[in-house]
Amino acid sequence: GIQVEQSPPDLILQEGANSTLRCNFSDSVNNLQWFHQNPWGQLINLFYIPSGTKQNGRLSATTVATERYSLLYISSSQTTDSGVYFCAVDANNNDMRFGAGTRLTVKP
Amino acid sequence: DTGVSQDPRHKITKRGQNVTFRCDPISEHNRLYWYRQTLGQGPEFLTYFQNEAQLEKSRLLSDRFSAERPKGSFSTLEIQRTEQGDSAMYLCASSPFFAGVPYEQYFGPGTRLTVT
Repeated sequence: GIQVEQSPPDLILQEGANSTLRCNFSDSVNNLQWFHQNPWGQLINLFYIPSGTKQNGRLSATTVATERYSLLYISSSQTTDSGVYFCAVDANNNDMRFGAGTRLTVKP
Repeated sequence: DTGVSQDPRHKITKRGQNVTFRCDPISEHNRLYWYRQTLGQGPEFLTYFQNEAQLEKSRLLSDRFSAERPKGSFSTLEIQRTEQGDSAMYLCASSPFFAGVPYEQYFGPGTRLTVT
């Protein structure tokens, strides 16, 4: 099955810094989503981005489907950005495969 | 617009007992998915429904697990004879599915199961 790798596994930032999270996948995908999991376990939708670039406030994402990777950019990070960020892909129109996540800690 | 809801949010049970979880999807979504997440890992797919039909089951879904979506609306996930290894967060998601394409999945808050 398709493999999803996220990097880095852990990231510690000072408030106000920028960061880039990466998601590599091993095969062509139909869908790709980025999620933020809060401390209570809720998965919050950030982007639905099988290809192209999208922006939402301080967050933006780019997926280059032909090269099988996606990037999530966080600018001017805030302590509330802390948590785990997951990339998930759908290769067969059935189920999503998740990466292991990037754990982000933003220090005040 | 209400999101995906799950009940209960927490369940503590003794090994060998049966448990049942409920998921109510976003009302206009015809696809419903179940995932399991253990500590430090990403969610893993268990099964999904399109309307009332269960179309795929993961090898993770042993014969102690059963899921239903009888009227194509809410779904239940039952675990029989629970084992300590079943302790995990059980997540439900829903999405629209049109013209052969599944769209964005939305997740519920999860049910955290602890088997003692």
